[in-house]
Amino acid sequence: QVQLQESGPGLVKPSQTLSLTCTVSGGSISSGSYYWSWIRQPAGKGLEWIGRIYTSGSTNYNPSLKSRVTISVDTSKNQFSLKLSSVTAADTAVYYCARGNYGTDYWGQGTLVTVSS
Amino acid sequence: EIVMTQSPATLSVSPGERATLSCRASQSVSSNLAWYQQKPGQAPRLLIYGASTRATGIPARFSGSGSGTEFTLTISSLQSEDFAVYYCQQYNNWPPLLTFGGGTKVEIK
Repeated sequence: QVQLQESGPGLVKPSQTLSLTCTVSGGSISSGSYYWSWIRQPAGKGLEWIGRIYTSGSTNYNPSLKSRVTISVDTSKNQFSLKLSSVTAADTAVYYCARGNYGTDYWGQGTLVTVSS
Repeated sequence: EIVMTQSPATLSVSPGERATLSCRASQSVSSNLAWYQQKPGQAPRLLIYGASTRATGIPARFSGSGSGTEFTLTISSLQSEDFAVYYCQQYNNWPPLLTFGGGTKVEIK
């Protein structure tokens, strides 16, 4: 059974960079034709796709966030990561990491990141 | 960017009744459409992919239909555990972006 777990600071100051890591267990991040996504959800609101990475290193980003987002993968650690720069209060949300192929079938439990001074 | 529009925003249904949720894409996504269920404090759960294929372990009362720009999720007989928010998501190959609909909340009537 594949499991994903987000980790990283729960509080980030405005203008700084949000950094999160997703650790994949129960299977190799390199096996299969999957992509690995970051998705966020502000409190009481809907889901927003941030971007994805294939283990080849190919990435796609949400155009609304593209200038601030970097997603990377470390296959040796079975992890992938998110960096979001120049954060503001509008970036406060629960951040999920997830696995996708046809639909997004495995999700992490989510981690709340608050942007505040 | 493909915009996904869900309707209605809220659906009030009695237990045992049928619920029909709609999702419209701003351009064709073929059958590259998934449905998710989300309960408070939980991550979304994949229900349907390929517009009509149930994910592993999903009860048969959930069914999906449609292709192109118009899609439907039907819950044939609502159980108490089905009251939740439902999202559609397109994962078409081009443009290579994934987008979610705004969600439909299914509440107890």
